[in-house]
Amino acid sequence: EPEVTQTPSHQVTQMGQEVILRCVPISNHLYFYWYRQILGQKVEFLVSFYNNEISEKSEIFDDQFSVERPDGSNFTLKIRSTKLEDSAMYFCASSEESGGSYEQYFGPGTRLTVT
Amino acid sequence: AQSVTQLGSHVSVSEGALVLLRCNYSSSVPPYLFWYVQYPNQGLQLLLKYTTGATLVKGINGFEAEFKKSETSFHLTKPSAHMSDAAEYFCAVSEDGGSQGNLIFGKGTKLSVKP
Repeated sequence: EPEVTQTPSHQVTQMGQEVILRCVPISNHLYFYWYRQILGQKVEFLVSFYNNEISEKSEIFDDQFSVERPDGSNFTLKIRSTKLEDSAMYFCASSEESGGSYEQYFGPGTRLTVT
Repeated sequence: AQSVTQLGSHVSVSEGALVLLRCNYSSSVPPYLFWYVQYPNQGLQLLLKYTTGATLVKGINGFEAEFKKSETSFHLTKPSAHMSDAAEYFCAVSEDGGSQGNLIFGKGTKLSVKP
């Protein structure tokens, strides 16, 4: 069964460093998402992406964040200058269609630890 | 603004007992409602969803949920718990109306199953 994959599974970085989290969505999906979950808190929407541009973003997704689909398979989340509060589990998701009724398929997550 | 509340961050049941995980939502438009499950070190997997039509929704692994508009609830149930049901469960809401469908999650409920 096709699945969303994410690398690395765990990333440790120092405050102020740039990190890139990588995702490979399901191959025929067109809509891509990033969510994050700070330990003990809710899973929060960050951004959605379609046709090589951002469709929606939350207030969390400030200028320190960017997303890109550099080739036909990868979907990346970049944090330019990490802060301690960026430590969280980051989930990538993809869906075939847009709209609230369509299932989003989630990857296993990347745990980001900022020291 | 939409929100989701899951009562009980941790629920413990005996094997064979009824599972009841509570979810209440707020939404200004008819919502789409989802339950996701997360097993250790895995991504979020869709258990079931309500979009329109029948308010009692059946999902995978014997789970079901009932959409009750008057109570703004979407509680998840399973008649008889199995050890393999031990996981974290997330309720989520999404709106239609042209949105790209970003999900608003509850904080999650960790289900433990005792032998």
